[in-house]
Amino acid sequence: SQTIHQWPATLVQPVGSPLSLECTVEGTSNPNLYWYRQAAGRGLQLLFYSVGIGQISSEVPQNLSASRPQDRQFILSSKKLLLSDSGFYLCAWSLGVGGELFFGEGSRLTVL
Amino acid sequence: GQQVMQIPQYQHVQEGEDFTTYCNSSTTLSNIQWYKQRPGGHPVFLIQLVKSGEVKKQKRLTFQFGEAKKNSSLHITATQTTDVGTYFCASSTGGGNKLTFGTGTQLKVEL
Repeated sequence: SQTIHQWPATLVQPVGSPLSLECTVEGTSNPNLYWYRQAAGRGLQLLFYSVGIGQISSEVPQNLSASRPQDRQFILSSKKLLLSDSGFYLCAWSLGVGGELFFGEGSRLTVL
Repeated sequence: GQQVMQIPQYQHVQEGEDFTTYCNSSTTLSNIQWYKQRPGGHPVFLIQLVKSGEVKKQKRLTFQFGEAKKNSSLHITATQTTDVGTYFCASSTGGGNKLTFGTGTQLKVEL
């Protein structure tokens, strides 16, 4: 069966520090991969999605970047965090176009 | 770009009352998906509707896709405390890979 792992689950970072969130999927090949962000009590904002290795589509211009070095690995990064980067980051995968999304447990980031 | 609005933003009900959340789009949707997110958790897929006028049921939950494929609704009959959470609709744009989520409806159920 397919599983998705996302880490770390929680982190507190100072403003200006770097960020790396990692997500891996097991049990499937060539998934579509997504990073969403959810501010407290708000909806889900699509940040990046990828349909294949090295293929990244950015939805919101900001100080975040994403990379897909392997088929089932998706990384969200920042060189310098801002206060506004605080939120709940969710990695997800799907198969095919318009398929249902399977979300990871999420990473709760607090920037101080 | 496509925008999917949901109403209401919040809903408090007494256990046993019914609940409905509505999802509206200014453009025709190729499909609509519904997700539930428990407090502190991650969204979990509930169902997908594809056909115009489609109605699907899951126990006490009834999902409907409008005839014009521009709106959808989720109705819960006789709510229970286990129904607490935020319900999101979502749709992909023109058959594309990215899924745009609605603003969500937060449901609280009181005993």
